[in-house]
Amino acid sequence: TQLLEQSPQFLSIQEGENLTVYCNSSSVFSSLQWYRQEPGEGPVLLVTVVTGGEVKKLKRLTFQFGDARKDSSLHITAAQPGDTGLYLCAGHPYSGAGSYQLTFGKGTKLSVIP
Amino acid sequence: NAGVMQNPRHLVRRRGQEARLRCSPMKGHSHVYWYRQLPEEGLKFMVYLQKENIIDESGMPKERFSAEFPKEGPSILRIQQVVRGDSAAYFCASSPIRRLAGGGTDTQYFGPGTRLTVL
Repeated sequence: TQLLEQSPQFLSIQEGENLTVYCNSSSVFSSLQWYRQEPGEGPVLLVTVVTGGEVKKLKRLTFQFGDARKDSSLHITAAQPGDTGLYLCAGHPYSGAGSYQLTFGKGTKLSVIP
Repeated sequence: NAGVMQNPRHLVRRRGQEARLRCSPMKGHSHVYWYRQLPEEGLKFMVYLQKENIIDESGMPKERFSAEFPKEGPSILRIQQVVRGDSAAYFCASSPIRRLAGGGTDTQYFGPGTRLTVL
């Protein structure tokens, strides 16, 4: 079973459209990160969210952490071809003993068509 | 600020050979993590190391795989007697360590990865 479920798995949209990708879990996370990965490269950090209900904006990208810290979303406004890539959510499951392992979803592969 | 460095970027080995993957963390980071990404799979945690210490190796296969982070030099992920199923992208990440309330460490920054192909 996948601890972090991302949806959709694939998304192909036209330039200028808006989109939202989701990251869901039945577990509570102490923090969640969103990364973007290009083919042949490592994941590049976009944002870290820590507080339930937190909203962070990065230019045209808006990230939200669910109130219960079990889910997160990434919304992109007016998508551009440069947004094409694999978007990964990852988090540290909440544990009183501390957890060093970063758990990843399988990712959403976004393609923005000019 | 140099990022996480990994080398080689690509490595080809024949079955039965050894593979050595190197990782230099970001400046000021003393904690290193190794992950493996199989085709069509998400990244999976393998091992977490501090200088001269293995903190958590729960994600490492019990046989043929080992990792170290010596006092001087890069962290090394070593795979002995490689098999075709070891073909994957191996990523190293580093963090400056700052324990968050309720668990978890500070944000991890990833290197470009080493793509291992076993023939």
